[in-house]
Amino acid sequence: EVHLVESGGGLVQPEGSLRLSCSASGFTFSIYNMNWVRQAPGKGLEWISYISSGSSPIYYADSVKGRFTISRNNAKNSLFLQMNSLRAEDTAVYYCAREVTHLLGGYQYHYMDVWGKGTTVTVSS
Amino acid sequence: DIQMTQSPSSLSASVGDRVTITCRASQTISSHLNWYQQKPGRAPKLLIYAASNVQSGVPSRFSGSGGGTDFSLTISSLQPEDSATYSCQQSFNTPYTFGQGTKLEIK
Repeated sequence: EVHLVESGGGLVQPEGSLRLSCSASGFTFSIYNMNWVRQAPGKGLEWISYISSGSSPIYYADSVKGRFTISRNNAKNSLFLQMNSLRAEDTAVYYCAREVTHLLGGYQYHYMDVWGKGTTVTVSS
Repeated sequence: DIQMTQSPSSLSASVGDRVTITCRASQTISSHLNWYQQKPGRAPKLLIYAASNVQSGVPSRFSGSGGGTDFSLTISSLQPEDSATYSCQQSFNTPYTFGQGTKLEIK
């Protein structure tokens, strides 16, 4: 069965750092692009970062650019998010999500078909 | 960035009702539109991809339509387990963006 499991969340002080991990199983991790998506308490979903199967290209939301770094280790079926200079507004549940690229009618479509259960990050003094 | 606007923000409907949620993009996104269902404390679940394609395992009462800037998600006959928040997401370009969500309550 296909699974994604996030870990590494917790309570951190403002300006602190945290490294999230996402462990994949049940599928060939190395051929899939991956994303991190977060959800602040009571708010909607916010995409924050994308990494292709081969680790390039990489994209970030403006809200985290320069502070967060996405990476992956295909040999260990793992995705990471290094979060530095954390702010109160980074408090959220962080999900990793597998991205499918689907060819339909000659066009490529992208969607996130498998999600982990999330890990909670709380930034507070 | 492409802004995604859903309406309504919340709605209440009865079992068996036909329900439609709409999503508007701030610029044309062709059919690069996905719909997700999320229940409290759970991860999002993919329902519809590429505007109108139902994800495997999703009940046939869910359907999607639209293109360009205007899209809709329809539940043909509402069931109690459909109580959830529904969000659209554009995958036309990064940054991927989501609608603010529509909270669906069963009367």
